Amino acid sequence: ETGVTQTPRHLVMGMTNKKSLKCEQHLGHNAMYWYKQSAKKPLELMFVYNFKEQTENNSVPSRFSPECPNSSHLFLHLHTLQPEDSALYLCASSPWTGIDGYTFGSGTRLTVV
Amino acid sequence: QKEVEQNSGPLSVPEGAIASLNCTYSDRGSQSFFWYRQYSGKSPELIMFIYSNGDKEDGRFTAQLNKASQYVSLLIRDSQPSDSATYLCAVLNDMKTSYDKVIFGPGTSLSVIP
Repeated sequence: ETGVTQTPRHLVMGMTNKKSLKCEQHLGHNAMYWYKQSAKKPLELMFVYNFKEQTENNSVPSRFSPECPNSSHLFLHLHTLQPEDSALYLCASSPWTGIDGYTFGSGTRLTVV
Repeated sequence: QKEVEQNSGPLSVPEGAIASLNCTYSDRGSQSFFWYRQYSGKSPELIMFIYSNGDKEDGRFTAQLNKASQYVSLLIRDSQPSDSATYLCAVLNDMKTSYDKVIFGPGTSLSVIP
């Protein structure tokens, strides 16, 4: 595997479900990010992790819970989501800062019903 | 509120023409500027980044930065139908803290007509 891998590619969940999104990067990067992309809106930064430490929580509701066990893996735990949370969730990584840009994963298309 | 603005488009150009995509940003402390290409249903892909005023060329792509005017643009020469995508402008704000934050614009949809 190379680059940034996200699973699952598609997820449909009910509002009372609990699910997790997984991201793994094989680039030796030390910073990882979660972004949300909704229709007709810019990419929204959710969380930033540098060297496994969370350095940014961009006012994200507590129904989204990130976890970064090591520099290569990032999870987003989801519970009691709302229909408006339906979106494309993108994981990205960078060497340690974003100064040279990000490498994005293929994303998880989430639908909350 | 730090913002990045782009015309949403769609911008339509004939095959072989030059496509010009524009972006403005509000934070004068911004340090790095990026252009990502996003095909429909796919994730963004970094195609250019620029730090200094002036032009930076890479193949058919040229990024132009004017910090005084808070303006960054992307020129695509000899446009091909495969260039049809949404182009996202992104700006890295001043790293005053221990982490960085990249702000994305809403994207410009480009359609290259054969």
